[in-house]
Amino acid sequence: SQQGEEDPQALSIQEGENATMNCSYKTSINNLQWYRQNSGRGLVHLILIRSNEREKHSGRLRVTLDTSKKSSSLLITASRAADTASYFCATVSNSGNTPLVFGKGTRLSVIA
Amino acid sequence: DAGITQSPRHKVTETGTPVTLRCHQTENHRYMYWYRQDPGHGLRLIHYSYGVKDTDKGEVSDGYSVSRSKTEDFLLTLESATSSQTSVYFCATSRGIGANEKLFFGSGTQLSVL
Repeated sequence: SQQGEEDPQALSIQEGENATMNCSYKTSINNLQWYRQNSGRGLVHLILIRSNEREKHSGRLRVTLDTSKKSSSLLITASRAADTASYFCATVSNSGNTPLVFGKGTRLSVIA
Repeated sequence: DAGITQSPRHKVTETGTPVTLRCHQTENHRYMYWYRQDPGHGLRLIHYSYGVKDTDKGEVSDGYSVSRSKTEDFLLTLESATSSQTSVYFCATSRGIGANEKLFFGSGTQLSVL
């Protein structure tokens, strides 16, 4: 079963706009990761945010984590056509050494 | 894709036939995983390996078996393929396991079972 659920399922924006995707999860976590998947390719790791961090930046990416609400958001600023992809959050369902569990993803389309 | 090669990239087979997918890594990562990706379900873990000859089941392991005889190779076998196993299969690797470890993915195998 999915630990994380992304919202919205699909998002379409104009180039230059900001894109925000949300992830809600069910149980307490240590860290949360975000991945990107371009069409026909495997997933690529974007960023990891630790449970004691509220916000983290990497280039045009901004990730927030609210452990009280069990949610995270991924913001892509000044989006480009090349940002068109699916985005997934991933975490583990407990504090142990278990594999990552992925959400169903958000499909982002950036229109030039 | 970080030295992870999946073969074949595409396969069409018939119901009831055995199918083996191969994942080869050059990263010397201890952990290897097989996920399947389906519309509406995202990625779901089939099996994973934490070392040579050490494997464990994931969320959707029924109908699948795995083997890891060398650090670099992880095989996924469908003993008798069914149409419900039509999917895109991804192999992934990581140095360690858990929420701190990032995964590196192969490019996927598109499997169609007719």
